[in-house]
Amino acid sequence: GAVVSQHPSWVICKSGTSVKIECRSLDFQATTMFWYRQFPKQSLMLMATSNEGSKATYEQGVEKDKFLINHASLTLSTLTVTSAHPEDSSFYICSARLPHAQDGYTFGSGTRLTVV
Amino acid sequence: GQNIDQPTEMTATEGAIVQINCTYQTSGFNGLFWYQQHAGEAPTFLSYNVLDGLEEKGRFSSFLSRSKGYSYLLLKELQMKDSASYLCAVRDRLSGGYNKLIFGAGTRLAVHP
Repeated sequence: GAVVSQHPSWVICKSGTSVKIECRSLDFQATTMFWYRQFPKQSLMLMATSNEGSKATYEQGVEKDKFLINHASLTLSTLTVTSAHPEDSSFYICSARLPHAQDGYTFGSGTRLTVV
Repeated sequence: GQNIDQPTEMTATEGAIVQINCTYQTSGFNGLFWYQQHAGEAPTFLSYNVLDGLEEKGRFSSFLSRSKGYSYLLLKELQMKDSASYLCAVRDRLSGGYNKLIFGAGTRLAVHP
């Protein structure tokens, strides 16, 4: 089945540094990728929608200069958390729309970011 | 805007049946999904409804009423491994024709022996 590979699975970084998270669609073309953030015991909050070859669309309250999204090809989207701070510590998950509407969306395995 | 409501927590007994309700408000409804999520893992797809009625898939069934903005997920013959969060998600079609998937807060289900 269609798989999205997300890396890294977990990362610990120092406050003020930047972290890049990658999501690759392995056997299908993902023209649209969604990026979510999830805090403990809370649901997934949509951060932004990235479309291949164009600028990402950010949800209200999400800083586009802090969360840089690049979707340079049909199989790769990246999220870079710039100048990370402890409050950015969270579980970040990407999701891609599957080719058929009834199949919905497939999710990456998530990245646990801890900023110390 | 969008609004999705579901109970925060539920408990049930192994072997029993449990129904998790979800109500939603959205301007461009284009399908409703149910996902299961274990702690620290990505959500896994359970069901999809876009037309009114019941969709059955093994031990899991999902119902949709678009006029009422209501859905439920029914889990039968509960097993301990069904202890997880269940997320109701609505696909919203926005102006410009593109869709986005919005999640409810999730229902944490605890199955007891």
